[in-house]
Amino acid sequence: GQQVMQIPQYQHVQEGEDFTTYCNSSTTLSNIQWYKQRPGGHPVFLIQLVKSGEVKKQKRLTFQFGEAKKNSSLHITATQTTDVGTYFCAGPGNQFYFGTGTSLTVIP
Amino acid sequence: KAGVTQTPRYLIKTRGQQVTLSCSPISGHRSVSWYQQTPGQGLQFLFEYFSETQRNKGNFPGRFSGRQFSNSRSEMNVSTLELGDSALYLCASRNSNSPLHFGNGTRLTVT
Repeated sequence: GQQVMQIPQYQHVQEGEDFTTYCNSSTTLSNIQWYKQRPGGHPVFLIQLVKSGEVKKQKRLTFQFGEAKKNSSLHITATQTTDVGTYFCAGPGNQFYFGTGTSLTVIP
Repeated sequence: KAGVTQTPRYLIKTRGQQVTLSCSPISGHRSVSWYQQTPGQGLQFLFEYFSETQRNKGNFPGRFSGRQFSNSRSEMNVSTLELGDSALYLCASRNSNSPLHFGNGTRLTVT
């Protein structure tokens, strides 16, 4: 069946450092979505990418969809303590296939 | 618009009991899906309902079941609870092309 993997599983960074999480799907995706879950919270939708090679920015966050539409990345520039949480990618299919998530810790 | 509402927020049950969780979707959303979240397994898809019909089902035993009512509210039931069922159960609603909108979840502890 379809699988979506994310690396790394955990990432600790000093505040101000950059952070990147990578998402890889076993199949081609029609689109990919990213969600953020704060500690103790629930996943919240961040963005959707649809086109091959698409790049979208939200302030310090840059999202990229691969040319083959099988991988994606989220890059955060100059992390802040408010960026703490787990970032999930999700690809639609018969269901939404969520990646394993990357838990980001930002050390002040 | 009110968000997705899940009740109760917390539950403590003992092994062998059964439990029913409730989810009220965002008004106008007809799709409701359920996920189990545990520290080691991430977000695992349980099932999705659309217009009172189960549209998809994840790889969970038959002890996990659900239903959706005509007003799109959904319930999930877990029978014969096991210790491993302890988890955060998340409900999400959406329209056909919209992203998932999650509720705050129900934290189930099985002792």
